[in-house]
Amino acid sequence: RKEVEQDPGPFNVPEGATVAFNCTYSNSASQSFFWYRQDCRKEPKLLMSVYSSGNEDGRFTAQLNRASQYISLLIRDSKLSDSATYLCVVNILTGGGNKLTFGTGTQLKVEL
Amino acid sequence: DTGVSQDPRHKITKRGQNVTFRCDPISEHNRLYWYRQTLGQGPEFLTYFQNEAQLEKSRLLSDRFSAERPKGSFSTLEIQRTEQGDSAMYLCASIISGNGPNTQYFGPGTRLTVL
Repeated sequence: RKEVEQDPGPFNVPEGATVAFNCTYSNSASQSFFWYRQDCRKEPKLLMSVYSSGNEDGRFTAQLNRASQYISLLIRDSKLSDSATYLCVVNILTGGGNKLTFGTGTQLKVEL
Repeated sequence: DTGVSQDPRHKITKRGQNVTFRCDPISEHNRLYWYRQTLGQGPEFLTYFQNEAQLEKSRLLSDRFSAERPKGSFSTLEIQRTEQGDSAMYLCASIISGNGPNTQYFGPGTRLTVL
């Protein structure tokens, strides 16, 4: 079983739609959680951190359920520019340090 | 540009050759990470440094791979006797340890193609 699992998609949605991505993680020792965005042939860039209380940044809302080891990302009023791969990322503290564990990413295509 | 930089951006080499990549982290960041990403996958952790000390290495990092960060600033990743399976994007990221939720900032990556 992969440490971080995501539906690879692609999700093809019309402009203005609301779309939700889900992610599950297997390591209960995971300490912090993120969504990164990656455009084609570019580096990943932090979209938002995910907090237990849930958090919102404009059209983006992230939720974390530690009991179910589940993370979600909701995008409202999607724009063409939202087309990208969204990576679910978990930070696991390891002996004196930490490392990011990435899911395979969910591809989003927003269409006219 | 005050972000993470990597050089070269692209490298094409023949199987069996050695290659070396460089990463320059954000100047005040004391931790530096190397990841590898293949098509259709998320980045996979390879190794990381706290200042000049290499603190963790993934099992993905075979003995053909070596990474250094001699002065605690830039880092190099060398692959000896390259194989076609080494073809991937090699990403570097940096962070200030202990800074909130440990956001890592990525460089643009070095895309390696082994023929």
